[in-house]
Amino acid sequence: DGGITQSPKYLFRKEGQNVTLSCEQNLNHDAMYWYRQDPGQGLRLIYYSQIVNDFQKGDIAEGYSVSREKKESFPLTVTSAQKNPTAFYLCASSRPGSFMNTEAFFGQGTRLTVV
Amino acid sequence: KQEVTQIPAALSVPEGENLVLNCSFTDSAIYNLQWFRQDPGKGLTSLLLIQSSQREQTSGRLNASLDKSSGRSTLYIAASQPGDSATYLCAVSGRSYGGSQGNLIFGKGTKLSVKP
Repeated sequence: DGGITQSPKYLFRKEGQNVTLSCEQNLNHDAMYWYRQDPGQGLRLIYYSQIVNDFQKGDIAEGYSVSREKKESFPLTVTSAQKNPTAFYLCASSRPGSFMNTEAFFGQGTRLTVV
Repeated sequence: KQEVTQIPAALSVPEGENLVLNCSFTDSAIYNLQWFRQDPGKGLTSLLLIQSSQREQTSGRLNASLDKSSGRSTLYIAASQPGDSATYLCAVSGRSYGGSQGNLIFGKGTKLSVKP
């Protein structure tokens, strides 16, 4: 089945630790995105990538980093510089290279909690 | 700056009722509008995509309309069922929102509860 797979489903981070969230897609989509969802707020864009080896900051990129070495994969690292990382993280993809007249598809999310 | 508002924030209806969810946006220069469904603790499921040149889209019991000039969209659900209970989100895409080309701007959602 084609789709977007995020792992792990739940992740716990200690203070000062970096953690990496995985996002893999087999939809052959060029564009991939990371969003953060907090209670009472809409989804906010962290990073996006429209092509392999290229990515751009979104609205709330501070404290996060990404890589796009393969078309299928877009991992997100939450660094110790992110002061409030507890949230629900969603990965999305679309074709051909932006949301212009194309449909966005989302993974099932990773819930990150600081302990 | 584009802002997306969804009213009401929560809605409870008896099973079988037809209902309408509302979405409004402040900048009419959008590329498309997408409706999503989100179950608790889950990701987003795409329901309908309306391109800026279209007026409506239908899928089964769902019908979404778009009035770009007035900055409004509605999602109509016919003959609601308990399985329709979820949060419904609308999102618009447009040029360079917040410095991110093609970014989706989301509303905060309407939480729907359909009682048996």
